[in-house]
Amino acid sequence: DQQVKQNSPSLSVQEGRISILNCDYTNSMFDYFLWYKKYPAEGPTFLISISSIKDKNEDGRFTVFLNKSAKHLSLHIVPSQPGDSAVYFCAAFALGGATNKLIFGTGTLLAVQP
Amino acid sequence: KAGVTQTPRYLIKTRGQQVTLSCSPISGHRSVSWYQQTPGQGLQFLFEYFSETQRNKGNFPGRFSGRQFSNSRSEMNVSTLELGDSALYLCASSSGTSGITGELFFGEGSRLTVL
Repeated sequence: DQQVKQNSPSLSVQEGRISILNCDYTNSMFDYFLWYKKYPAEGPTFLISISSIKDKNEDGRFTVFLNKSAKHLSLHIVPSQPGDSAVYFCAAFALGGATNKLIFGTGTLLAVQP
Repeated sequence: KAGVTQTPRYLIKTRGQQVTLSCSPISGHRSVSWYQQTPGQGLQFLFEYFSETQRNKGNFPGRFSGRQFSNSRSEMNVSTLELGDSALYLCASSSGTSGITGELFFGEGSRLTVL
């Protein structure tokens, strides 16, 4: 049972354009969402997060949007750069739980073409 | 400060063998989580340890086990290896306090190949 879904395994974007990565979740108990970025041969690194009390969080070129009614979130990267090429994982978390158990999606491979 | 350290980085085993992977968290972090990454499955949660106690467990068979020591270092063990256990095993540390961001700091992983 995949509670967090990233339905696009890959995405290719031209440098300078916008990259939009999508994520859907099924568990209404999730109230905190994170995006991680992973380069080959490295561990995932935290990118940006959003609490369910917000619908948007912005950090430089990265913006995450949350639509709670649709159980959908997206990560926008503007402008996209070749160095952004990586696998992006969406993750969800229930803040009320006494654990740091993150549920991850299957990842989207972003390729930014120069 | 030093990041999360996992050893070994790469290893090859044969079916039926067992393997132990080690993880040293960021200094001061008391929570260590283990994830399995395979193509098409993303990161699957194995278990989390906090102050030497297993606090949560994912849906993996009993062949997968772990422990945490008093210095917060953690080990995970997989017994009776199967071909399907070939994966990247990632360790992540955090301060472990509930109710915070849930941000995890990952190591580079241990790449296990089962032949």
